[in-house]
Amino acid sequence: EVQLVESGGALVQPGGSLRLSCVTSGFTFTKYWMHWVRQAPGKGLVWLSRIRIDGAFTNDADFVKGRFTMSRDNAKNTVYLQMNSLRAEDTAVYYCARETEVGGANIDYWGKGTLVTVSS
Amino acid sequence: DVVMTQSPLSLLVSPGEPATIACRSSQSLLHSQGHNCLDWYVQKPGQSPQLLIYLASNRASGVPDRFSGSGSGTDFTLKISRVEAEDVGVYYCMQGLQMPVTFGAGTKVEIK
Repeated sequence: EVQLVESGGALVQPGGSLRLSCVTSGFTFTKYWMHWVRQAPGKGLVWLSRIRIDGAFTNDADFVKGRFTMSRDNAKNTVYLQMNSLRAEDTAVYYCARETEVGGANIDYWGKGTLVTVSS
Repeated sequence: DVVMTQSPLSLLVSPGEPATIACRSSQSLLHSQGHNCLDWYVQKPGQSPQLLIYLASNRASGVPDRFSGSGSGTDFTLKISRVEAEDVGVYYCMQGLQMPVTFGAGTKVEIK
């Protein structure tokens, strides 16, 4: 069974930093690109970033470039999202997701998410 | 960026009745390999999104056959042949052909 389990969400002050983790299991991690997607309270889904299998390349949404960095550790079957200079508008549930093997950068499995709250 | 426009944004449907959600993209989603990079997801209350339809018209594993997807290029449709109470949720289309990945705004389906 494919499982994606996010952690690391917390209450953080504006300007602070946070690192989210997503531990995966149930599939061969090194065969898949991975994504981060977020959802602000009561809002829709917003894509943030994806990372290549070897971890050496990412695509990022323009609005996170320079603030958020996605990485992966293939030995630990884990992806990360380092978030710096956090703002109130970054408050959201952050989902880790697996990219499909076929097609484009489409997603087939999602984690349950971890809540990040940015507030003083 | 590819803009994904869903309609309607909300649907109130009686059990057993059909429902149709449209998704239009601002650019063609047809991949060079011949498939359309368009997926449909449902987010049930309090849950994370789950895949319903991939590559425009393929049901994901475990998805009831009352769900179907169609379309190509820029116009896509998700149909529920007979809505059931468990189908309540927000339905999203998503394109993965071009970066950044983009989602429709979501269609909230409620039961009368």
